[in-house]
Amino acid sequence: GAGVSQSPSNKVTEKGKDVELRCDPISGHTALYWYRQSLGQGLEFLIYFQGNSAPDKSGLPSDRFSAERTGGSVSTLTIQRTQQEDSAVYLCASSALLAGGRDTQYFGPGTRLTVL
Amino acid sequence: TQLLEQSPQFLSIQEGENLTVYCNSSSVFSSLQWYRQEPGEGPVLLVTVVTGGEVKKLKRLTFQFGDARKDSSLHITAAQPGDTGLYLCAGPLGYKLSFGAGTTVTVRA
Repeated sequence: GAGVSQSPSNKVTEKGKDVELRCDPISGHTALYWYRQSLGQGLEFLIYFQGNSAPDKSGLPSDRFSAERTGGSVSTLTIQRTQQEDSAVYLCASSALLAGGRDTQYFGPGTRLTVL
Repeated sequence: TQLLEQSPQFLSIQEGENLTVYCNSSSVFSSLQWYRQEPGEGPVLLVTVVTGGEVKKLKRLTFQFGDARKDSSLHITAAQPGDTGLYLCAGPLGYKLSFGAGTTVTVRA
């Protein structure tokens, strides 16, 4: 596809279960970002992948959150032992990381996670 | 604490009216971006302003970047129902983006 895709679009889970959220970035984009958007809040940075470099995990809120990016393309965000406060929309973005810092991030439609 | 403060949080106006959304910070940014997000979708970039004092126009939307590069505004002239959405400003922190909390704009027909 031409844009960033995410799956599933909606996920309802019970407290304590693990969930996996998937992101397919735009082909050729080397940078991939995960954000979390809670109701009434802006986007909160979670993690950043760039090429083969070590990811920047500084935004992950707890050690229950982890992410990987396989083959420099698809990324999976995993939340273990989900809690109700994890309920939010999880957004993925990718960019080509052009020189000069004038970068444009392209966002996917997000996964709405509801933890009961 | 939000690095970028947006106001107002909510705005509801009648079709044809004008509106202004503000984005303020105590920090200097090399550039600021404005996004619009519609329900069930991710944010879409509207514009990037990079020079202090810059004014950019996109049809009925006018974007300003403050002289000190700490604030920005978005002005919509003769708003239409299609302008309804969440407007977000964002500034770069290295390769990351710091987002404001957003302004929800509703344009009533």
